[in-house]
Amino acid sequence: DVKVTQSSRYLVKRTGEKVFLECVQDMDHENMFWYRQDPGLGLRLIYFSYDVKMKEKGDIPEGYSVSREKKERFSLILESASTNQTSMYLCASSPGLSDTQYFGPGTRLTVL
Amino acid sequence: AQKVTQAQTEISVVEKEDVTLDCVYETRDTTYYLFWYKQPPSGELVFLIRRNSFDEQNEISGRYSWNFQKSTSSFNFTITASQVVDSAVYFCALVTYSGAGSYQLTFGKGTKLSVIP
Repeated sequence: DVKVTQSSRYLVKRTGEKVFLECVQDMDHENMFWYRQDPGLGLRLIYFSYDVKMKEKGDIPEGYSVSREKKERFSLILESASTNQTSMYLCASSPGLSDTQYFGPGTRLTVL
Repeated sequence: AQKVTQAQTEISVVEKEDVTLDCVYETRDTTYYLFWYKQPPSGELVFLIRRNSFDEQNEISGRYSWNFQKSTSSFNFTITASQVVDSAVYFCALVTYSGAGSYQLTFGKGTKLSVIP
């Protein structure tokens, strides 16, 4: 079974802090994705990566950056957290860009 | 820009009733991929089905069935004889990809299904 793990289920940070969300997949997938999920808005794509060190912006990249130094690991970085970044963050991976995505359990981030 | 509309925000049914979740999509691409995912209360999204735009065959998997109609740009999902374990949020998603730099992925806003015992 594909396994996608995220470093924390719950995280509380203060405004202005730098925040790292980590995601690891164990199926050698080429592609990895970060989403945020907010009530009434569904899932929105923040960034995705189709190869090591390669990344592309999704629909809402502002305020976020990403890093993919190794194939299995994709990090989402909030350079200076703000309260409007309080959300559920979901990571996913897939073999091809049009293939099924496998999701992690999510990280619920609260920025105070 | 592409779009996915799940017009039903919330649906409640009594156990054993049939229920259909609607998904309408918009895209100018002729090659695209449609997905349904289930998000149970535990939070982790689970894949249900993937369809490409050239395969209009309807699919049945146990109590689940999907009706893909290009003529109406719809990809509806029916649960027959619903059970309490079907209670979840269901998302429809659309992917288009025709080469480097063209990838687009859009999720609908989800339909929350509550099955009442």
